[in-house]
Amino acid sequence: GENVEQHPSTLSVQEGDSAVIKCTYSDSASNYFPWYKQELGKRPQLIIDIRSNVGEKKDQRIAVTLNKTAKHFSLHITETQPEDSAVYFCAANYNDMRFGAGTRLTVKP
Amino acid sequence: GAVVSQHPSWVICKSGTSVKIECRSLDFQATTMFWYRQFPKQSLMLMATSNEGSKATYEQGVEKDKFLINHASLTLSTLTVTSAHPEDSSFYICSARGRRKVSPLHFGNGTRLTVT
Repeated sequence: GENVEQHPSTLSVQEGDSAVIKCTYSDSASNYFPWYKQELGKRPQLIIDIRSNVGEKKDQRIAVTLNKTAKHFSLHITETQPEDSAVYFCAANYNDMRFGAGTRLTVKP
Repeated sequence: GAVVSQHPSWVICKSGTSVKIECRSLDFQATTMFWYRQFPKQSLMLMATSNEGSKATYEQGVEKDKFLINHASLTLSTLTVTSAHPEDSSFYICSARGRRKVSPLHFGNGTRLTVT
C-alpha cells in the first residue's frame, strides 16, 4: 500500500518568513495530493490540493509543487502569520487516502 | 456544500461496553467513507474503507470484529467499537468522498472516545 513520509515533524518560523513542508510517497499510481490543516481537537481542513497532471498550484500565500518522477510534493507558505500555526498533513490518494505524520508549524510573532 | 456530520462528538463509556459512532453526509452522496483514528499528537491512521453496500476493507492490524463498520446507504456509515477497552480511547474521525476518486475528503468533526 501507499506510504507517505513527511518532514519536518516540527517547524518554527518568524512571522513573515516562509515555511516549507515536504512529503514523499511510494505508490506511483497515486494521483491526488491534498494538504490539510488541523487545529487542536478539530477536524482537518483542506487548504490546497494538486492532481498528478499538474506540477504546481498556487492560492494566495500557499503553493504546492509536485514532482511525479521523484514522487515528492511540497507545501510552501509565504508571509507566514501567527494564525498559520497548526499541524499540517500531506496525503496521497489512489483508492484510499494516506496521511503523512504531520508537521507542527509554529509562527512566532 | 459537502458537509459531513459525525455524532457523538464525545463519549465516555465503561470498559466492556459498545459504542456506536455515526457519520452522515448531509448534502452529497458518499460513495466511499473512511474511518480514521488519531492518538494525541499523532497522524490520522486509516482504520478501514467502506463503500456503500459492500463490506468494509480493514487495514492491517485493525480487528474487524472489534470495529464494526456499516455503510448501508449513500449518506450514512457507522462505526461500532465493541467491548471497548481503555486502549481504545482515541479520537475517531470519519470522512467521506463522492463518486470521483480524485477529490478531497470531507471530514466529520470527530468523536473523542474515553473508555474508563
